[in-house]
Amino acid sequence: EIVLTQSPGTLSLSPGERATLSCRASRIVTSSYLAWYQQKPGQPPRLLFYGASSRASGIPDRFSGSGSGTDFTLTISRVEPEDFAVYYCQQFSSLPRTFGQGTKVEIK
Amino acid sequence: EVQLVESGGGLVQPGRSLRLSCAASGFTFDQYAMHWVRQVPGKGLEWVSGISWNSDNVGYADSVKGRFTVSRDNAKNSLYLHMNSLRAEDTALYYCVKDLWGEMVVFDSWGQGTLVTVSS
Repeated sequence: EIVLTQSPGTLSLSPGERATLSCRASRIVTSSYLAWYQQKPGQPPRLLFYGASSRASGIPDRFSGSGSGTDFTLTISRVEPEDFAVYYCQQFSSLPRTFGQGTKVEIK
Repeated sequence: EVQLVESGGGLVQPGRSLRLSCAASGFTFDQYAMHWVRQVPGKGLEWVSGISWNSDNVGYADSVKGRFTVSRDNAKNSLYLHMNSLRAEDTALYYCVKDLWGEMVVFDSWGQGTLVTVSS
């Protein structure tokens, strides 16, 4: 299976700062078949991006996704208070579908 | 509005069985793949199983293969997960998830989850 490793584990930021989250795959993710999710406490996850850079419905454009091969990045250009959450990457290049362990974006 | 309502969770002894159900509404159920994803409270996400729109393709995590069976009834807009030989490590919140497409790809809409606790 494809193992996804996210870094950093925790990102401490102030509102307005830029967030850069990394997701590295153990082997090539075909055709950038990678998605990103946001999860807030007590809520199910929400789809942010699929296909590495295709924004899901309703996702603000301060969020952007990029990458290919084995290295992918989720960027939040200016973190808003509602963006503090845990973010997961997920690959849909092969079965079984797998998630990264998550990056927590917390208020500094 | 997409609604996914899970049921069937609860406390079960190791080695026993349980069936989870998911009632779907607000979208054309038979056009989309569906999944079960689980999460131990406070921990990360684990994809458990998925099924394509017409049930032709199914998939399982290695951790549940041979013990869990996913199925769907498009006439009833329902998804199921039959869980056998349950273990303590199966304890988690189980989410019913709608795919973005008809095949098993990405997780578009999520239910609130049903908690399964495996303990003697």
